[in-house]
Amino acid sequence: GQNIDQPTEMTATEGAIVQINCTYQTSGFNGLFWYQQHAGEAPTFLSYNVLDGLEEKGRFSSFLSRSKGYSYLLLKELQMKDSASYLCASMDSNYQLIWGAGTKLIIKP
Amino acid sequence: GAVVSQHPSWVICKSGTSVKIECRSLDFQATTMFWYRQFPKQSLMLMATSNEGSKATYEQGVEKDKFLINHASLTLSTLTVTSAHPEDSSFYICSAKGPGWEGEQYFGPGTRLTVT
Repeated sequence: GQNIDQPTEMTATEGAIVQINCTYQTSGFNGLFWYQQHAGEAPTFLSYNVLDGLEEKGRFSSFLSRSKGYSYLLLKELQMKDSASYLCASMDSNYQLIWGAGTKLIIKP
Repeated sequence: GAVVSQHPSWVICKSGTSVKIECRSLDFQATTMFWYRQFPKQSLMLMATSNEGSKATYEQGVEKDKFLINHASLTLSTLTVTSAHPEDSSFYICSAKGPGWEGEQYFGPGTRLTVT
């Protein structure tokens, strides 16, 4: 079956670094996406990985290991506005996104 | 960039009535659009895939007679919730497959539906 696992909730301190992990099992693989979703809003695209390795984009980085079915999103220099849910989604062989349940990230001052 | 709009952004309706939600791609043509539903504190659940000029493909467990999808043009897809019930109250989000590579999707801002 198809499955995406990520932690339900994480807490971190403003200015710190946090890593949100995601493991996936999908029928075929066409890439791993990370989205940010603030409460009451639609998801916004953060990153896309299709090859192994680390992709860095400002304060956010995303890593992929296809052999392990594993990805993580790394957020540096955390700001209060980073408080949101972070959704991991794997794209299967039909180019359909399979979504994780999301990780609620709480930033404390 | 590619922009997708939804209308209305929020709606309150009485139980038993029908509600139509529009999803528009504003600056590109979208042959494929997706409709998602999201309950509080849960992830996105794909309801159906809408292809222009053909019938929508519904996910398992989604009632096609209750959630009517019409993709009549390359820039507009509509979702009609028929005979709405309080349990249909949810956040409905559409996305459109972008003009670029196969996996590109752009999300609308979502529609909050409350059925009383």
